[in-house]
Amino acid sequence: ETGVTQSPTHLIKTRGQQVTLRCSSQSGHNTVSWYQQALGQGPQFIFQYYREEENGRGNFPPRFSGLQFPNYSSELNVNALELDDSALYLCASSSSVSTDTQYFGPGTRLTVL
Amino acid sequence: GIQVEQSPPDLILQEGANSTLRCNFSDSVNNLQWFHQNPWGQLINLFYIPSGTKQNGRLSATTVATERYSLLYISSSQTTDSGVYFCAVANTDKLIFGTGTRLQVFP
Repeated sequence: ETGVTQSPTHLIKTRGQQVTLRCSSQSGHNTVSWYQQALGQGPQFIFQYYREEENGRGNFPPRFSGLQFPNYSSELNVNALELDDSALYLCASSSSVSTDTQYFGPGTRLTVL
Repeated sequence: GIQVEQSPPDLILQEGANSTLRCNFSDSVNNLQWFHQNPWGQLINLFYIPSGTKQNGRLSATTVATERYSLLYISSSQTTDSGVYFCAVANTDKLIFGTGTRLQVFP
């Protein structure tokens, strides 16, 4: 059974640029959730995708957007990067939308200069 | 939304000691998970425990859903137990994380 994978592991961007982060869900899982973890804090929910549709969104601006593909892998896109977007971005997959264990990938550490 | 509080915020132990971490939440939930975040940022699943008691080796957890709290017990702690422990709950689509307990275990 393949676990959740994310790419890239690290990324450095400058303010105003755009970034795309990728996540491959665990085999058999159809739900992917994205979280942002700032230094010293707990992860914060960005949004969730279930069967290629957005299924809930946290308190993040529209410049944070996503996609889920037919194989249930997912992308997180962030436009017009700001310094405060520097964080660890975590992807989690599960086999249902709420009442199941979420398994996390290793994360992508984004630094915005 | 649901509020999640974890205590203590920091814990320093000598190897071999036992500890109890607490998670309080403000509303009914249908998902509660405990995680260990290692120094590289990986969130490792410890327990999925919306209610009841589970044990896995030196770790055990109890959730009393009617009283809205969960406890994580670590027995005979080892240096590899160091890191941040998070409790996360959900009653809809998203997990809501507490602020974590930072555990340091010294030899």
